[in-house]
Amino acid sequence: EVQLLESGGGLVQPGGSLRLSCAASGFTFSTYAMDWVRQAPGKGLEWVSGISGSGGSTYYADSVKGRFTISRDNSKNTLFLQLNSLSAEDTAVYYCAKDSGVSKPYYFDYWGQGTLVTVSS
Amino acid sequence: ETVLTQSPGTLSLSPGERATLSCRASQSVSSSYLAWYQQKPGQAPRLLIYGASSRATGTPDRFSGSGSGTDFTLTISRLEPEDFAVYYCQQYGNSPSTFGRGTKVEIK
Repeated sequence: EVQLLESGGGLVQPGGSLRLSCAASGFTFSTYAMDWVRQAPGKGLEWVSGISGSGGSTYYADSVKGRFTISRDNSKNTLFLQLNSLSAEDTAVYYCAKDSGVSKPYYFDYWGQGTLVTVSS
Repeated sequence: ETVLTQSPGTLSLSPGERATLSCRASQSVSSSYLAWYQQKPGQAPRLLIYGASSRATGTPDRFSGSGSGTDFTLTISRLEPEDFAVYYCQQYGNSPSTFGRGTKVEIK
């Protein structure tokens, strides 16, 4: 059974940083691309970032490029998202999602339950 | 980027009725790379359809997807009580991947 468990969310001040983690199990982690998708309170879904199975290719939405960094540790089956220079517009539930592909973002066949990031003073 | 417009915003129907949800893209979606997700309150999204018309594992056959190019449709043939939720389309054929704003299917 595929399981994705996010952690690391919380309350952070504007301009602050946070590191999200996603522990994966139930599939061969290094084979698949992984992504982060966020959902602001009461709003729709926004793809944020993706990383290939090997970790050699990364992809970002324009809204986070230069501020967020995606990475993965295939030896520990863990996905990360480093969030820097946060603003109120980044307040959202951040979902870790297993990609159906191996490289560029594709469709997402499994999702974690999400971790809430709140940016507020 | 490819903008996806979902309509209607809200669909009010009764159990047993047929639901037809639309997703229109601002430019042609490459290779019909269009997916549909269901999201219930407080839950993560769940993949229903990929490749415009292929059902994901565990998706009941009352759900069907169709379309190509810029116009796509999700049809629920007979609504069950558990189908009342928000539905999102996503295109992954053009970079960056984008989602529609969702259609809420509510009980009439």
